Amino acid sequence: EVVLTQSPATLSLSPGARATLSCRASQTISNYLAWYQQKPGQAPRLLIYAASNRATATPARISGSGSETDFTLTISSLEPEDFAVYFCHQRSSWPWTFGQGTKVEI
Amino acid sequence: QVQLQESGPGLVKPSETLSLSCTVSGDSIRRYYWSWIRQSAGKGLEWIGRIYSSGSTNDNPSLKSRVTMSVDTSKNQVSLELSSVTAADTAVYFCARDSGYATGWDSWGPGTLVTVSS
Repeated sequence: EVVLTQSPATLSLSPGARATLSCRASQTISNYLAWYQQKPGQAPRLLIYAASNRATATPARISGSGSETDFTLTISSLEPEDFAVYFCHQRSSWPWTFGQGTKVEI
Repeated sequence: QVQLQESGPGLVKPSETLSLSCTVSGDSIRRYYWSWIRQSAGKGLEWIGRIYSSGSTNDNPSLKSRVTMSVDTSKNQVSLELSSVTAADTAVYFCARDSGYATGWDSWGPGTLVTVSS
């Protein structure tokens, strides 16, 4: 099973700041990595797929990069609606797995 | 716009079978794979399995063959059964539409909390 390790667990930043979230895979997963945003009481929302492709409605300030084992989600300038928990997810091999999440807080 | 809605009992007794349905509106279930995912405080997000309209499935071996998924195209509905539940199966259960292998889940239901307790 591919283990995804996200860091940091919590990121404390101010609106307008740049956020850099990391996701490291225990083995190579090519670019089969997605990022999701989750707010309290809501289902996750797809932000990025195939490591660097924005999903529909994902704003341009949110971008993804990386391949093989190291991936990054970057929010160039935090808006109030960006404060949430972010999960990475791999679908390179079965079973599909998730990282434990990074909370972006004010 | 596609909408998904999970439904089922919110309370299940230990050793019994958890049964949930996911009703899809705004799109045909024939076109996509549909996944079940759960979220608990202890284990985070966990992918349970997925099903296609043909009945083809993939599931997570960690659930030790306790999972049964089915599809009812006449009702535009997918279903999940998880047998021999324990307190560790207490979680919010989501259904989600898989828009492609390399893409991910682009539509989700709001989730339903299932508590396993006597």
